Amino acid sequence: GESVGLHLPTLSVQEGDNSIINCAYSNSASDYFIWYKQESGKGPQFIIDIRSNMDKRQGQRVTVLLNKTVKHLSLQIAATQPGDSAVYFCAENRGAGSYQLTFGKGTKLSVIP
Amino acid sequence: DAGVTQSPTHLIKTRGQQVTLRCSPKSGHDTVSWYQQALGQGPQFIFQYYEEEERQRGNFPDRFSGHQFPNYSSELNVNALLLGDSALYLCASSLDRAQSLQYFGPGTRLTVL
Repeated sequence: GESVGLHLPTLSVQEGDNSIINCAYSNSASDYFIWYKQESGKGPQFIIDIRSNMDKRQGQRVTVLLNKTVKHLSLQIAATQPGDSAVYFCAENRGAGSYQLTFGKGTKLSVIP
Repeated sequence: DAGVTQSPTHLIKTRGQQVTLRCSPKSGHDTVSWYQQALGQGPQFIFQYYEEEERQRGNFPDRFSGHQFPNYSSELNVNALLLGDSALYLCASSLDRAQSLQYFGPGTRLTVL
């Protein structure tokens, strides 16, 4: 069925490098996307969101890119730090009166000191 | 500004028992959603409450029920517990508007023996 999916289940990066986490979605009606960070034993923490009328949004050290043509979302983390180690989820709201968020399985980011 | 709070933190039950989990939304929020997160998976939407009514429901059996109180806090009840109900139960709060960002609590870890 349609769902949010992630290309890579794990990602290891050197401290100070940039990280890119990818996400594919299949529902063309999805109109709102959120990236969450989840550390072990904690609830998902909001990182950044983007609406479907945008293709890029920047936050502090993070950038989200949305390509609606190929239904692809990415999260870029600049100058990755050990504290960035966590599981990252993209979540979509499928519009059309839907209130729920649909999550993928997540990508585990490990930062090597 | 208090974030989303949940209680209890951990809970151990046996098959067939019933459980009640509690959630207080972020200050100013009026909408509460519940999610189930199995180990190694992304959160799965159970249902959302607004104005003390269940507004939307995911693909969960009616053993899962909920309630929202006038102060916007919420309870999740699960009857006739199964081993497969063991998971992290997450509460998320938001404002009632389209494409509303959901903020998550720390979760309640339920173990069914």
